[in-house]
Amino acid sequence: GAVVSQHPSWVICKSGTSVKIECRSLDFQATTMFWYRQFPKQSLMLMATSNEGSKATYEQGVEKDKFLINHASLTLSTLTVTSAHPEDSSFYICSARDQTLQFFGPGTRLTVL
Amino acid sequence: AQSVTQLDSQVPVFEEAPVELRCNYSSSVSVYLFWYVQYPNQGLQLLLKYLSGSTLVKGINGFEAEFNKSQTSFHLRKPSVHISDTAEYFCAVTINQAGTALIFGKGTTLSVSS
Repeated sequence: GAVVSQHPSWVICKSGTSVKIECRSLDFQATTMFWYRQFPKQSLMLMATSNEGSKATYEQGVEKDKFLINHASLTLSTLTVTSAHPEDSSFYICSARDQTLQFFGPGTRLTVL
Repeated sequence: AQSVTQLDSQVPVFEEAPVELRCNYSSSVSVYLFWYVQYPNQGLQLLLKYLSGSTLVKGINGFEAEFNKSQTSFHLRKPSVHISDTAEYFCAVTINQAGTALIFGKGTTLSVSS
């Protein structure tokens, strides 16, 4: 199947700093990518849908100014957590969809001190 | 909008026993259904999927699931579990529309003991 990579796999940052997470589809072009967040022992919650060349669509309750999403090309989407705080600590997972299936990245574990 | 409900948050079983993890979905249109497994501190791994055709779907690691449209269910089964099957299992639903995301259930923790 198709491969989706994420970088970094884990990151620790100080409160107030910004963190950028990259998501790449390695062997297919993804018009649409998705960002999910997973808190410990909980399910994946869809944060936003990222469309190449246009603004992302955020789910209700997700702060668009805090979680900046850029989908500049058909193989790259980035999520920037701005002014991160400890409550933003979570596992962030990106996903890219081809015609039918979604393929998931391995996730990025963010810890904000 | 679609939704999925996993009826059991935790399922403890003994090794070599059969197991069923239950999943019900809600949708006004035809759906695609998936089961994923997540081991501790790891990403998602696709177990199996139903897109169309045969309602009995076989996946990896000896798992299978049956799509039941009348009961809007997609239960996951394995006839004999191993200790290594201990993990979190997620049922997910989407529709055949470009740009539509998978929606996940809350997950079921399968604990296999000897």
